Amino acid sequence: GESVGLHLPTLSVQEGDNSIINCAYSNSASDYFIWYKQESGKGPQFIIDIRSNMDKRQGQRVTVLLNKTVKHLSLQIAATQPGDSAVYFCAEKPPQGAQKLVFGQGTRLTINP
Amino acid sequence: EAQVTQNPRYLITVTGKKLTVTCSQNMNHEYMSWYRQDPGLGLRQIYYSMNVEVTDKGDVPEGYKVSRKEKRNFPLILESPSPNQTSLYFCASSPSVGQGGGRGYTFGSGTRLTVV
Repeated sequence: GESVGLHLPTLSVQEGDNSIINCAYSNSASDYFIWYKQESGKGPQFIIDIRSNMDKRQGQRVTVLLNKTVKHLSLQIAATQPGDSAVYFCAEKPPQGAQKLVFGQGTRLTINP
Repeated sequence: EAQVTQNPRYLITVTGKKLTVTCSQNMNHEYMSWYRQDPGLGLRQIYYSMNVEVTDKGDVPEGYKVSRKEKRNFPLILESPSPNQTSLYFCASSPSVGQGGGRGYTFGSGTRLTVV
């Protein structure tokens, strides 16, 4: 069945370094991908999205890369800050009228001072 | 402030005692959905609604009911809760099904339910 997974469940980085969070998706026909950030005690919050006709999209300090050949999605966070500590989820939207997002299990990002 | 409001935030109940988790959004969104979040399983969709009086099952609908009598409200009903429904629940809304459903997803703060 459809599944979206993350390569690493936890990631620790030094404050100021760049972070890369990876995601593998299984449905090659998915046409839309999203990264969410979930802080402790809160619901997921939208970070950045990308459509399948693109391979890169940049936001403020964040970049999403999409490699459809290997069905891989990544989130790059530049100059990580303590406020970036959270669980990050990737999600895909299958195309055939499915009214849902398929979420990965999440990666916990910890920023070391 | 645009938001999705869930109540209660925390709930401990006993097996078999009917309960309702309320969800309300003030953004006039057409699409609403319920997810449960469990360790190692991520977020899984329970039910969704594309508009008033239109609801459909997600991936894990067993043991749950929903209703959409008004556009702003989408309550989740557990008629006879069981311990395997202990979980963290999120309600989400989106402006339109046709808009991809992702960018427009606004999540509530969650309801942590424990069934003993």
